[in-house]
Amino acid sequence: GESVGLHLPTLSVQEGDNSIINCAYSNSASDYFIWYKQESGKGPQFIIDIRSNMDKRQGQRVTVLLNKTVKHLSLQIAATQPGDSAVYFCAETRSGGGADGLTFGKGTHLIIQP
Amino acid sequence: NAGVTQTPKFRVLKTGQSMTLLCAQDMNHEYMYWYRQDPGMGLRLIHYSVGEGTTAKGEVPDGYNVSRLKKQNFLLGLESAAPSQTSVYFCASSGLRNEQFFGPGTRLTVL
Repeated sequence: GESVGLHLPTLSVQEGDNSIINCAYSNSASDYFIWYKQESGKGPQFIIDIRSNMDKRQGQRVTVLLNKTVKHLSLQIAATQPGDSAVYFCAETRSGGGADGLTFGKGTHLIIQP
Repeated sequence: NAGVTQTPKFRVLKTGQSMTLLCAQDMNHEYMYWYRQDPGMGLRLIHYSVGEGTTAKGEVPDGYNVSRLKKQNFLLGLESAAPSQTSVYFCASSGLRNEQFFGPGTRLTVL
């Protein structure tokens, strides 16, 4: 079936560097995408979202890019800090009104090297 | 504002036992969801609800039942637990914007 996936299971970066986490999705009907951060033993925490009518959205130290042509989503974290260590999931949904659940990718474990 | 809370945090069951997981939200959200997360995996949708008194099946509904008698609560039931249901269970809620807020999870082990 259709699903959301990630390119790398683990990403290791130096503290202070920028991180880029990638995600590929296969459902062309997806119209809403979210990045979540999950720390060990906790529930997923919302980071940033983007709708299909946008290509880029920026938050505090994070940027999400959406390329609908190749069905690709990325999360950029600027000036990575130790507190950014976590598993990052992309998620997608096809509904516009929140009725459906999210389809999650498997996650990328971001490791911050001192 | 407590957000989304889950009860209990941990539980160990024997095969065949039953239990109910409780999820509560204080954000007046219409939509509520139950997910399970297995090691090294993303979350998979079990059941969801678009409003009080309504429920619907998600991706992996077998072996689970749900009820939404009050808008703020969403219950997940296991009638006869199986080892394959060992997992971490997350509840979430959302308003019209789709952004889902998650609870802290319930770690369930079925022996």
